[in-house]
Amino acid sequence: LAKTTQPISMDSYEGQEVNITCSHNNIATNDYITWYQQFPSQGPRFIIQGYKTKVTNEVASLFIPADRKSSTLSLPRVSLSDTAVYYCLVGASSGYSTLTFGKGTMLLVSP
Amino acid sequence: GAGVSQSPRYKVAKRGQDVALRCDPISGHVSLFWYQQALGQGPEFLTYFQNEAQLDKSGLPSDRFFAERPEGSVSTLKIQRTQQEDSAVYLCASSSRRSDEQFFGPGTRLTVL
Repeated sequence: LAKTTQPISMDSYEGQEVNITCSHNNIATNDYITWYQQFPSQGPRFIIQGYKTKVTNEVASLFIPADRKSSTLSLPRVSLSDTAVYYCLVGASSGYSTLTFGKGTMLLVSP
Repeated sequence: GAGVSQSPRYKVAKRGQDVALRCDPISGHVSLFWYQQALGQGPEFLTYFQNEAQLDKSGLPSDRFFAERPEGSVSTLKIQRTQQEDSAVYLCASSSRRSDEQFFGPGTRLTVL
């Protein structure tokens, strides 16, 4: 399984754009990049998934360069409620696949 | 619609007691996963079911851990002779056949004294 590296923590203020970068140097050809969000006392929640270039949904954007050795989760105009741990995962796309979580990035949004 | 539910939400056990943790997946979801999350860490895989078949139990830390899903819906994770190192949040997730995502329950926080 491809190992991921992401910052342990990040700080931001309300209304700012937040970019969290994840490194995955040994990503395999058939691997997808998936991000999950976890609030305290809750299970993780799927945010976005992509394979290459750019993916956007109502919550976030995911930027993946051509070499796919890294990816950036972009959260536009964060609010206090975006304070959470964000996990970058690399692996097969299917819901059948076991998810391998790292320690994630703790994002703290302040007023 | 209803999401994944887990019960109890909190469980305190004395060392050596047996515990049973329940997971109700989203109706119709074929796949069911159990994860263990220690404080300050990401979730770690324990076991995986496809319908009633347990296809992967490689993450179960010892033979004290046992999981079942007899009718392909509700699942139970049982821990026998609990130890202090079993203290963690136990998360259940389910997914549909063609889903790209797993839907997680709120977890059961187990504290072993």
